[in-house]
Amino acid sequence: NAGVTQTPKFQVLKTGQSMTLQCAQDMNHNSMYWYRQDPGMGLRLIYYSASEGTTDKGEVPNGYNVSRLNKREFSLRLESAAPSQTSVYFCASSELAVNTGELFFGEGSRLTVL
Amino acid sequence: GDSVTQMEGPVTLSEEAFLTINCTYTATGYPSLFWYVQYPGEGLQLLLKATKADDKGSNKGFEATYRKETTSFHLEKGSVQVSDSAVYFCALSPTGGGNKLTFGTGTQLKVEL
Repeated sequence: NAGVTQTPKFQVLKTGQSMTLQCAQDMNHNSMYWYRQDPGMGLRLIYYSASEGTTDKGEVPNGYNVSRLNKREFSLRLESAAPSQTSVYFCASSELAVNTGELFFGEGSRLTVL
Repeated sequence: GDSVTQMEGPVTLSEEAFLTINCTYTATGYPSLFWYVQYPGEGLQLLLKATKADDKGSNKGFEATYRKETTSFHLEKGSVQVSDSAVYFCALSPTGGGNKLTFGTGTQLKVEL
């Protein structure tokens, strides 16, 4: 079972470079999410897509853009990376709204910005 | 806004010890409450949940009771194993549903032989 697949798993960037984190789910889920995980701060929501064709800002959207390419795929783009964006990024998906269903997470992408 | 407060870790226990990880929340109305677990090198997995006051969520020997009067959702297990070593996150979903989970900062548990 693939579940939620994120690529790449590791990436090192220089300040100002751009990159895209890819996420795909094979569970036919409607909703997809991008979180970042930082020490002492837990997980914080960057953007989410409640359904195909929609995206909304989460708690920490600045410096990021997202694209819900189709029902399976939800990408996160850093246009001009900054050291403050060094983090572990998690993609997640859910069939239903999170209060009734469950979030399924990918294994994470560790990004370092020098 | 909504918030979740967890006890700081790391928590280190011997195998077969009793575990409690405290979690309290601030939210209006009746949020849904969750515990997620993150094993080393993996993403988070749902451990248990409770959607209304006095509900008890349970899974894999872990349990937590939704206490509205104390705004708490403490995680307990009677006898921990080395394989329970992980980071545990308390989280809430606001009243009325939606797609935004608010997570606590996580508590690392280390279980030693």
